[in-house]
Amino acid sequence: DVKVTQSSRYLVKRTGEKVFLECVQDMDHENMFWYRQDPGLGLRLIYFSYDVKMKEKGDIPEGYSVSREKKERFSLILESASTNQTSMYLCASSPSTGAVGDTQYFGPGTRLTVL
Amino acid sequence: QKEVEQDPGPLSVPEGAIVSLNCTYSNSAFQYFMWYRQYSRKGPELLMYTYSSGNKEDGRFTAQVDKSSKYISLFIRDSQPSDSATYLCAMKADYKLSFGAGTTVTVRA
Repeated sequence: DVKVTQSSRYLVKRTGEKVFLECVQDMDHENMFWYRQDPGLGLRLIYFSYDVKMKEKGDIPEGYSVSREKKERFSLILESASTNQTSMYLCASSPSTGAVGDTQYFGPGTRLTVL
Repeated sequence: QKEVEQDPGPLSVPEGAIVSLNCTYSNSAFQYFMWYRQYSRKGPELLMYTYSSGNKEDGRFTAQVDKSSKYISLFIRDSQPSDSATYLCAMKADYKLSFGAGTTVTVRA
C-alpha cells in the first residue's frame, strides 16, 4: 500500500512565524504535490515537484515555497505565516509511468491555524 | 468561471437510496476523470477513474462521462451509512488534477 505521511495533523502558529510542513512517501514516486483545501473551493495546487530539486508553481504559490532534497520528502514552507493561510494542507504523490491510472495518493492532511 | 463545477450539497439520503453526484467542466483538454472519497479528518482516496465517455461500474459505484456535454456523474447504489463522506470529482489534462469543490453526503441509517 502506498503510504504518504505528513509531519503534523494539527498545527497552531502565530502571524509572522516561519512554518514547515513535511511530507514523506514510501513508494519511490517521482511526483509530489502540495494542495490546500478550503470549504467551497476544493483542492488548489500550491506547488509540485517532478524530481529531486525540481519544483513548479501551481495555481496559488504566493506566500509559499517548497524544498525537495530527497525523492521521498517534499516540504512546504510558509516564510511568514498570515491568517489567510489558515487551511487544511494536503500532500500527494504519484508515479510518472504515463499510465492512465497514474493517480495521486494523498496524505491525511495538516490542519494549520494561524492566529 | 471555475474549470470544474460541483454542487457542494450537502446531500442527505436514507440507507438503500441511490446517490447521484455530478460535475461539469469547461476545459476540453481534460482527458481523465476521477472520483475521490474523503472521510472526515482524512485525505482523499481514489474511488474510480475513467478516460472515455460512457459508463464504468465497480460494485455499487458507477462513473459516467459525457465528453460532448462536459458532464460527469457518480452513482452509488444501495447506499450505506459507511458511504457518508465528501466526494470530489477531479479531472486531469497532463500532470495536473483540477478538483471540484466536493459534495458532502450523509446516508441515514
